[in-house]
Amino acid sequence: NAGVTQTPKFQVLKTGQSMTLQCAQDMNHNSMYWYRQDPGMGLRLIYYSASEGTTDKGEVPNGYNVSRLNKREFSLRLESAAPSQTSVYFCASSEPTGLTDTQYFGPGTRLTVL
Amino acid sequence: EDQVTQSPEALRLQEGESSSLNCSYTVSGLRGLFWYRQDPGKGPEFLFTLYSAGEEKEKERLKATLTKKESFLHITAPKPEDSATYLCAVQAGGYQKVTFGTGTKLQVIP
Repeated sequence: NAGVTQTPKFQVLKTGQSMTLQCAQDMNHNSMYWYRQDPGMGLRLIYYSASEGTTDKGEVPNGYNVSRLNKREFSLRLESAAPSQTSVYFCASSEPTGLTDTQYFGPGTRLTVL
Repeated sequence: EDQVTQSPEALRLQEGESSSLNCSYTVSGLRGLFWYRQDPGKGPEFLFTLYSAGEEKEKERLKATLTKKESFLHITAPKPEDSATYLCAVQAGGYQKVTFGTGTKLQVIP
């Protein structure tokens, strides 16, 4: 099992360019998430998908869009990148069971916007 | 608003020197508290889930405990390979509502 995979690992964009970050999981999880991690701040939720066919905004959704392509794949799109979107982006997946659910993370995409 | 505060921000230990990391939280209706380990340039790796006060979980040199206001990650006789950032997170309300702390960066010196 590869778990959660993300592509690309690194990306440099110029202000105004667009790009899509890809995420896939092979754990048959229903829920998937996109976070960003910035120095001195905890992981912050951008968007999530509770199940295939649904997406919802998290804490910091502005400037991003998502697509839940199928149960395995969840992509994050930056339509017009800004320097404030320079960050490390993590995808996660989980399967709610009873009281709570544990999120499993991918290796991350390091994005720099110049 | 849910809040998670981790202390200290950084901790430097000699190999074999036991210590504890703290995670204090303020939530309404705790469903679970998570501990993750994050190595530089990697994604968070799941360690433990704790559900209720008094619960303890162990894995190798790590033991996590939970009270109604905080959790501790005890590291017994650490080794250099335990060096990492340790993240605490709480889940309250809906399944998707997870609040992360900013982490404690642990360095274990040989």
